[in-house]
Amino acid sequence: KAGVTQTPRYLIKTRGQQVTLSCSPISGHRSVSWYQQTPGQGLQFLFEYFSETQRNKGNFPGRFSGRQFSNSRSEMNVSTLELGDSALYLCASSFSVGGNTIYFGEGSWLTVV
Amino acid sequence: DAKTTQPNSMESNEEEPVHLPCNHSTISGTDYIHWYRQLPSQGPEYVIHGLTSNVNNRMASLAIAEDRKSSTLILHRATLRDAAVYYCILRSTGNQFYFGTGTSLTVIP
Repeated sequence: KAGVTQTPRYLIKTRGQQVTLSCSPISGHRSVSWYQQTPGQGLQFLFEYFSETQRNKGNFPGRFSGRQFSNSRSEMNVSTLELGDSALYLCASSFSVGGNTIYFGEGSWLTVV
Repeated sequence: DAKTTQPNSMESNEEEPVHLPCNHSTISGTDYIHWYRQLPSQGPEYVIHGLTSNVNNRMASLAIAEDRKSSTLILHRATLRDAAVYYCILRSTGNQFYFGTGTSLTVIP
């Protein structure tokens, strides 16, 4: 069974631009959550989607948004990029909302210059 | 969700047992104790979780104190592949996971 797939793996963007990251969950998993990981702040929860609806949201500005499609695939978007948005963005999937076991992808490394 | 306290780093010799401690004095009755680990350049992976009783699986054992205010992740025989950051997380079902800074485990050959 394929794991969580995230694309792209690496990308470089310029301040002020926007970026869209994609996540394909494990087959059969309907919940997708997103995390930001930086050396200074560690792993921080962004949001969780289930059945195309945002179920939980972390403490991030409105520049960070996401959505989930009917096939459970999810995208997250960051608009008006800032240097501090440089981070590893991780997607995780689980069978249900707040499932006891979540499975992470390898992440998308975003560098903002 | 309640916070956890873990040592920043630990070292272990290869093939010896490792005991990774976690304090969670403000744990609530509905909080499960989860352990995830993150190997270099990878996303975190599930290790084990439990509520009140000790738990064992093929990866590790989880020993939970009787008052649930602390727990210990036990790797029975450390290998070089176990070198990772280990996160102890408290979470009530349905809520999101809050990862702390974790314990960076170094395994010495």
